Amino acid sequence: KQEVTQIPAALSVPEGENLVLNCSFTDSAIYNLQWFRQDPGKGLTSLLLIQSSQREQTSGRLNASLDKSSGRSTLYIAASQPGDSATYLCAVYRDNYGQNFVFGPGTRLSVLP
Amino acid sequence: DGGITQSPKYLFRKEGQNVTLSCEQNLNHDAMYWYRQDPGQGLRLIYYSQIVNDFQKGDIAEGYSVSREKKESFPLTVTSAQKNPTAFYLCASSRGVEQYFGPGTRLTVT
Repeated sequence: KQEVTQIPAALSVPEGENLVLNCSFTDSAIYNLQWFRQDPGKGLTSLLLIQSSQREQTSGRLNASLDKSSGRSTLYIAASQPGDSATYLCAVYRDNYGQNFVFGPGTRLSVLP
Repeated sequence: DGGITQSPKYLFRKEGQNVTLSCEQNLNHDAMYWYRQDPGQGLRLIYYSQIVNDFQKGDIAEGYSVSREKKESFPLTVTSAQKNPTAFYLCASSRGVEQYFGPGTRLTVT
């Protein structure tokens, strides 16, 4: 059974710092991995999707990498801002049709001004 | 604007009552999903539908029911058989592998 963990559960950093969020999964036979952002009481906003043939994706100050063999993905946030404060979740897809996803519990990020 | 809407944002019910949560999308996506989110836990899949008039149970379907009579709509009914219905419910849709989420409905049952 696929299990997804995210470390740390919570993180507090001063504004301007670069930071890394971690996502680990137990079954390396995944097709895709998606990173989301969730603000308190809101739905999820997609940040980056890494397909199985890719090793990383970049969008602005965000860079996500995927190492299927080691069961790990990292989300790198450069020059963090207070507006980055949110919970970040990763989700792995168990098949190529997207019907079966397993989500991690999230990392709650606070960026202090 | 294309997107997914969920209503209401907050819902309160007495124990023993069934309640239906609405999810509508105008993205022309074939697949739709319902998730439940509890504090400190990841999202858990309740039901999903790949096409109109077809749906499949997810990991925690007991106590829930769905219908998919239209492509745009995927309502979720939380029945009185669901033992711990208080949670944040999220609807999503996809065409392909990337999922898009609605704003969520927070259900409180007392």
